[in-house]
Amino acid sequence: EAGVTQFPSHSVIEKGQTVTLRCDPISGHDNLYWYRRVMGKEIKFLLHFVKESKQDESGMPNNRFLAERTGGTYSTLKVQPAELEDSGVYFCASSPRGRPRVETQYFGPGTRLLVL
Amino acid sequence: AQTVTQSQPEMSVQEAETVTLSCTYDTSESDYYLFWYKQPPSRQMILVIRQEAYKQQNATENRFSVNFQKAAKSFSLKISDSQLGDAAMYFCAYRRQNSGGSNYKLTFGKGTLLTVNP
Repeated sequence: EAGVTQFPSHSVIEKGQTVTLRCDPISGHDNLYWYRRVMGKEIKFLLHFVKESKQDESGMPNNRFLAERTGGTYSTLKVQPAELEDSGVYFCASSPRGRPRVETQYFGPGTRLLVL
Repeated sequence: AQTVTQSQPEMSVQEAETVTLSCTYDTSESDYYLFWYKQPPSRQMILVIRQEAYKQQNATENRFSVNFQKAAKSFSLKISDSQLGDAAMYFCAYRRQNSGGSNYKLTFGKGTLLTVNP
């Protein structure tokens, strides 16, 4: 079974540009999460999809960030325009729905974003 | 809001020895979950062990075990017979037990970088 995949693995862009990160969850996983780790700090929650619906987007920093999950499969996270403070590692995780007491989130390898 | 604190940014251990990584957390809830995740260099994060707060017995997975002290809000990870492959960043994480809801976001600590010396 394929794990959670993320693309690209690295991205270097200039301030003001747009970047789109992609996450492919494990097949059949309804829950999809985005997290971010800024250098030296905690991994922080950004948002949570259940299928194509945003369940919780309380962690999104501002309206420069737009997440979508069309069709309830893969998800994209677009940053437009990117700022220096957006640099960090963006993680995606997925989990099956319906078994909260045993739910484990499976993480992707992350996308390392550097904004210059 | 819940917080998770890992007070050891870095730790090192000799191969075959035992090491304990510390984690404390703050919550007003009585039912929740705690996790230790491991991220090896340039590889993805994987779950090492999980503990359900309503269970008094400490979780164990092979060489990995936890010391869960609910009253003290402490959740340390013990790695026995350390191996070179245990070298990684270790993250402690907390998750609420939402009854009736479906948001299971994780709250993480800053991580502890473990080095295993041969």
